[in-house]
Amino acid sequence: GQQVMQIPQYQHVQEGEDFTTYCNSSTTLSNIQWYKQRPGGHPVFLIQLVKSGEVKKQKRLTFQFGEAKKNSSLHITATQTTDVGTYFCAGPDGGSNNDMRFGAGTRLTVKP
Amino acid sequence: KAGVTQTPRYLIKTRGQQVTLSCSPISGHRSVSWYQQTPGQGLQFLFEYFSETQRNKGNFPGRFSGRQFSNSRSEMNVSTLELGDSALYLCASSSPVQYEQYFGPGTRLTVT
Repeated sequence: GQQVMQIPQYQHVQEGEDFTTYCNSSTTLSNIQWYKQRPGGHPVFLIQLVKSGEVKKQKRLTFQFGEAKKNSSLHITATQTTDVGTYFCAGPDGGSNNDMRFGAGTRLTVKP
Repeated sequence: KAGVTQTPRYLIKTRGQQVTLSCSPISGHRSVSWYQQTPGQGLQFLFEYFSETQRNKGNFPGRFSGRQFSNSRSEMNVSTLELGDSALYLCASSSPVQYEQYFGPGTRLTVT
C-alpha cells in the first residue's frame, strides 16, 4: 500500500528559529493530514489538506500541499518551547477504505 | 463529547502470555483503528474495524487480532507475547464524515 516518507527524522532548533518538516509520496494523495504528539502524549490532529497547492495557516504553523499532491510541508515560524514534540504526516493508503498511513515523524526539540 | 478511552493504561506481561486491550471510541464514531508505536518503528498500523467488521489489516503476525462490538467498542488481543511486542498501543476513532482520527491515550505494554 501507499507509504509516505517524512524528513528529517530529528530537528533541534534554538527557540525563535524556524522549523520545517517534509512529507513525500511516490503517488498522488487524495489528502494529507498532520498530527502532533507531545512527549508522553498521543497524536493530536492538526489539519487536513485536500486541494492541490493548498496552503493553510494556524498561527505560527503553515501547512502546504504540493501542486502534484505528492508532497506536503509543515513550517513553524519562530519556534517556542511549546512546539516540542513529534510531527507526523499521514496519507491514505490507496485502498478502498483509504486508511491513513503515518510517516515516521519528525521529532522537534527546542532549546530555550 | 468524551474522548477516546483505552484500558488499561499500563500493563506488564511475561513472554508467552496473552493480553487484551480495550478501546472505547468517541460517541458516534464507528471506525476504530489500532496502531503500535515503538521508538524505532514509529506508528505502525495494525487493523481497522468499522461496524464490527475488520476492513483493513496491517503487516503484523496472526498473534495480533481484534474485534469490534455492536457499540463500536473494540478490543485487540496479542497471544504468545514476545519481548518485541513491548510498545505503546494506540487506538483511534473517526467518523464517516470527517476523516481525522482521534487518538486515545494508549496502553503501554511491557513484556518481560
